[in-house]
Amino acid sequence: AQKVTQAQTEISVVEKEDVTLDCVYETRDTTYYLFWYKQPPSGELVFLIRRNSFDEQNEISGRYSWNFQKSTSSFNFTITASQVVDSAVYFCALSVNSGGSNYKLTFGKGTLLTVNP
Amino acid sequence: DTGVSQNPRHKITKRGQNVTFRCDPISEHNRLYWYRQTLGQGPEFLTYFQNEAQLEKSRLLSDRFSAERPKGSFSTLEIQRTEQGDSAMYLCASSPVINEQFFGPGTRLTVL
Repeated sequence: AQKVTQAQTEISVVEKEDVTLDCVYETRDTTYYLFWYKQPPSGELVFLIRRNSFDEQNEISGRYSWNFQKSTSSFNFTITASQVVDSAVYFCALSVNSGGSNYKLTFGKGTLLTVNP
Repeated sequence: DTGVSQNPRHKITKRGQNVTFRCDPISEHNRLYWYRQTLGQGPEFLTYFQNEAQLEKSRLLSDRFSAERPKGSFSTLEIQRTEQGDSAMYLCASSPVINEQFFGPGTRLTVL
C-alpha cells in the first residue's frame, strides 16, 4: 500500500520569508510518481509538479523548488520569498500503477500555509 | 473553458435523499477519476474509468454509491439514501495519459 505523510499541519510565515513543506512517502514499487498540488480557498486543485522515481534531479520553477531524495523517501517543496498569494493548502501525492493503467493518486493530509503581509 | 467541469458546484440535501453529480472531462481524455475530500483531509480515491469501463472501485464506495460513464464521455456519481457522513467535496479528474490528472472544481455536498 502507498502512504504519504505531511507532518506539518499548518505553517505561518511573514511575506518574503522562505518556507519548506515536507513530504515523506512509502511504497514498495520501484516505479512511482510524486506530485505537489496547491488548493487555494476556491477549492480547485492546481497541479504544480510531477516527478518520476528515476529522476532525482532537483527542480526550480521561479520561486518554487523541489528536492527529491530517494534515500530518505522525501519530496520537499520550498517557496522562496513567499507572497500572500501563496496562502493555500498544499498536497503531496504519490501514484503507482495499480493495474489497468490506473494511476490513482494517494494524497497526504496537506499543509495549510498562511503568508501574512 | 476547456477544463474539467462539475455540476452542481454545491448541493444541500436531507438525510435519506438521493443525489447525483455530473463530471464533464476534458474532451478526448479517456481516463476519469472520482475522489472524495473531507474537511482537513487530502482527497481519497473512489473510482476509476478507462473509457466507459469502470476498472477499479475503492472500498470507500459503499453499495449506496454508483458511478457510470456512458459512452466514455461524461460521468455521473450517484449516492442513494445519503447520510451525514457523506458530506464532503467530490472531485473529478480526467487524464489523457498516465500520470497527468486535471481536476475539476468539485461538488460540495452537505447532508443535513
